[in-house]
Amino acid sequence: GNSVTQMEGPVTLSEEAFLTINCTYTATGYPSLFWYVQYPGEGLQLLLKATKADDKGSNKGFEATYRKETTSFHLEKGSVQVSDSAVYFCALIAPPNYGGATNKLIFGTGTLLAVQP
Amino acid sequence: DSGVTQTPKHLITATGQRVTLRCSPRSGDLSVYWYQQSLDQGLQFLIQYYNGEERAKGNILERFSAQQFPDLHSELNLSSLELGDSALYFCASSVVGTSGSGTDTQYFGPGTRLTVL
Repeated sequence: GNSVTQMEGPVTLSEEAFLTINCTYTATGYPSLFWYVQYPGEGLQLLLKATKADDKGSNKGFEATYRKETTSFHLEKGSVQVSDSAVYFCALIAPPNYGGATNKLIFGTGTLLAVQP
Repeated sequence: DSGVTQTPKHLITATGQRVTLRCSPRSGDLSVYWYQQSLDQGLQFLIQYYNGEERAKGNILERFSAQQFPDLHSELNLSSLELGDSALYFCASSVVGTSGSGTDTQYFGPGTRLTVL
C-alpha cells in the first residue's frame, strides 16, 4: 500500500545551521507530495508541495525536490531559526486510479525540530 | 489562521460517553476531512465528505460516525468512548477534493483535543 517514512526525531540544531529531514515514500504511480508543519499548540499548515517528478516545492526558505528515482522528498533549509522549531510531517496523496480517487493525506510519523539560539 | 474552525478546543469526558466535534470549513470549500492524531497511531485519515455525501473512508471505528450538513459544516460523533480514543482530532477542508490531485490543498483547523478518563 501507500506509505511515507521519515526520519526519527528529535532533530536539534543551532540557529543558522543547515537542515535536512529525510522522507521516502512507497506508492504506485506518481503521488503528490507534501510537507506540513505543526507549531506547538496549533494545527497543521501546508509548508510546500510538489505534484510531479523533478518538481521543487519551496516556501519560507524551505525546499524539497520530488525524486522519483529514489522515491524521496527530503526537506532542506539553508539556515534555520528558532522560530522554525516545530514538528514536520511528510505526506502523500495517491494519484487517481491508484488507491482510489480521493484526496486523503497519508502522513509520516513526524519529525520534531528543535532549534537552539 | 486557516479559515477552518473547530469546536470545542478541549473536551474531557469519561469512558462510555458520547461526544460531538464540530467543524466549519473555509468559505467556498465543499470537502471536509477528519483526521486523528494520537501518540501510538500518528496522524490518520478517518473520513471525507464532499458536498454532503461521504466520499472516502479510512481507519474509522464503527463507534465513530460523521456527517456534513447542507451549510457544509461537519460533525464527528464518537460514542462508547474508550481510553484509547484520547487524541487530537483535526478537521481539514478543500475546494473540491474529488480528483486525487495535489492541486487541491487541504487547510487544517486547530483541532479538538479529546481526553477520555
